[in-house]
Amino acid sequence: QVTLRESGPALVKPTQTLTLTCTFSGFSLSTSGMCVSWIRQPPGKALEWLALIDWDDDKYYSTSLKTRLTISKDTSKNQVVLTMTNMDPVDTATYYCARIPHDSYFDYWGQGTLVTVSS
Amino acid sequence: DIQLTQSPSFLSASVGDRVTITCRASQGISSYLAWYQQKPGKAPKLLIYAASTLQSGVPSRFSGSGSGTEFTLTISSLQPEDFATYYCQQLNSYPGITFGGGTKVEIK
Repeated sequence: QVTLRESGPALVKPTQTLTLTCTFSGFSLSTSGMCVSWIRQPPGKALEWLALIDWDDDKYYSTSLKTRLTISKDTSKNQVVLTMTNMDPVDTATYYCARIPHDSYFDYWGQGTLVTVSS
Repeated sequence: DIQLTQSPSFLSASVGDRVTITCRASQGISSYLAWYQQKPGKAPKLLIYAASTLQSGVPSRFSGSGSGTEFTLTISSLQPEDFATYYCQQLNSYPGITFGGGTKVEIK
């Protein structure tokens, strides 16, 4: 059974760095073809893809946010970590992690974690 | 980046109605398109991938079609549990992934 769960702070201040952790089970990121991605959704708005890391430790980022994002993995812990620097109130959103087999689609999602950026 | 434009952004329909949602890509994406359903407070759920392949467990009243730049999601007979927001997503430019703006389906 595949599950993913996001964890991290519910509230961050402007200019701070956000660190989110995705802990998953039921698959391994050392398996060829396996990838995990982060997606966010501001309240009442559409989904926005942020970053992806694959089994080979290749990393890919949204063009508009790549200067602020870092994605990494700890295969032994079944975790993927996303950091986003210089947080702003417009970054307030629910952040999801999701599994995406290579060249495929988001087939399993976490429940999401709401991050509010406010002083 | 490839842009996806969904229409309509909102539609009001009744149980039993046939519903069609369109997703247009800013450039050709072959059949590299998926559709997701999202209910309030929940994560999106994959419905259709590769433009027309039904994900396992998804009711057959859902269908997808199209290729290139124009795609459609059809619900043949709208059920109460289908009232939700629907998103298209492309991965032709993988891993540069993009989502459409969403279509909210509400009860008339």
